[in-house]
Amino acid sequence: AQSVTQLGSHVSVSEGALVLLRCNYSSSVPPYLFWYVQYPNQGLQLLLKYTTGATLVKGINGFEAEFKKSETSFHLTKPSAHMSDAAEYFCAVTFYNQGGKLIFGQGTELSVKP
Amino acid sequence: NAGVTQTPKFQVLKTGQSMTLQCAQDMNHNSMYWYRQDPGMGLRLIYYSASEGTTDKGEVPNGYNVSRLNKREFSLRLESAAPSQTSVYFCASSEDRLGNQPQHFGDGTRLSIL
Repeated sequence: AQSVTQLGSHVSVSEGALVLLRCNYSSSVPPYLFWYVQYPNQGLQLLLKYTTGATLVKGINGFEAEFKKSETSFHLTKPSAHMSDAAEYFCAVTFYNQGGKLIFGQGTELSVKP
Repeated sequence: NAGVTQTPKFQVLKTGQSMTLQCAQDMNHNSMYWYRQDPGMGLRLIYYSASEGTTDKGEVPNGYNVSRLNKREFSLRLESAAPSQTSVYFCASSEDRLGNQPQHFGDGTRLSIL
């Protein structure tokens, strides 16, 4: 069955430290992968996506993610955390011609300490 | 830019009452989606619509009905609300059904069933 797993429901980093949020997917067909961010009492905003082509993708706010087929992973990173990065982050997957139906991970709440 | 607009933003219902959640998008998107968000479970797809006049079930459709009124509007109806339907509901839209375009989300409707 197709699924997405985010390791760690809560991650805490210090301001200026590396941010690493983990996402693994399960699928037998090529995936389309997305990272979304959700600030309190708001909807989800797209951070970045991988569909085809370059496996290292850059998104907004200095985030990037690398698609590793052999590891079935799509981890999200940012070299230096900022206080404004505190939010909940969701990894999601869909597949070609599946109506765009997203399968979400359970989410990772990122806290940034001053 | 309005994007995806959901009404109401908050609602409290009693068990057995009915209500309709409204969603409208102004991006001329073909595909629209309804998700529910529960703590620790990410977002789960309730129903989606690939185009005007078509709808299909998602992962958790029981207890819900939908109507794709026109290209802009996609409503979600609870005929007889149950406490298990207490959740945050998100509407989203996407340019196409192939899956490689991101979804744009509204700010959500926070629904409590007493």
